[in-house]
Amino acid sequence: EPEVTQTPSHQVTQMGQEVILRCVPISNHLYFYWYRQILGQKVEFLVSFYNNEISEKSEIFDDQFSVERPDGSNFTLKIRSTKLEDSAMYFCASKGIAKNIQYFGAGTRLSVL
Amino acid sequence: QKEVEQDPGPLSVPEGAIVSLNCTYSNSAFQYFMWYRQYSRKGPELLMYTYSSGNKEDGRFTAQVDKSSKYISLFIRDSQPSDSATYLCAMSEGSNYKLTFGKGTLLTVNP
Repeated sequence: EPEVTQTPSHQVTQMGQEVILRCVPISNHLYFYWYRQILGQKVEFLVSFYNNEISEKSEIFDDQFSVERPDGSNFTLKIRSTKLEDSAMYFCASKGIAKNIQYFGAGTRLSVL
Repeated sequence: QKEVEQDPGPLSVPEGAIVSLNCTYSNSAFQYFMWYRQYSRKGPELLMYTYSSGNKEDGRFTAQVDKSSKYISLFIRDSQPSDSATYLCAMSEGSNYKLTFGKGTLLTVNP
């Protein structure tokens, strides 16, 4: 069964460093999303991406964040200068055209020290 | 008022019990309603998806949507220890279909 894969599963970084979280969406999907979940809190929408551009972003998704689809398969989230409060699980999701169902990856746990 | 409210529990039931999980929402533009299951430190896994008021059944799971009351439910029949997880309700409008989640209900089914 096709699945969304995310790497790495755990990323530890120092405050102020740049991190890139990687996702391989399901191959025929066209809508891509990033969400985050701070420990003990709800899953929150960060950004959606369609047709090679951001279609919507939340207030959380400020200038420190960017997304890219560098080739036909990868979808990345970059945090330019990490803060302690960026520590969270980051989930990538993808959706096809036919159904309004998002499939999630297992997540990347980001720990900012 | 928060957009999606969900009692976080925790909820503890004996094996075989019927479980009822609920969410309320305030945004009448929500059209699509989902239930995800999340195991500890894993990604959300889709359980049920509905877009109209009424009931939808899949095995031991029944999803119920009442748009007039802005209320959705998930029922689990004959609950099993393997059902122990956090259950998340999620909703979306049209356009780019971003999901708005409830906080999740932690369910434990005791053997």
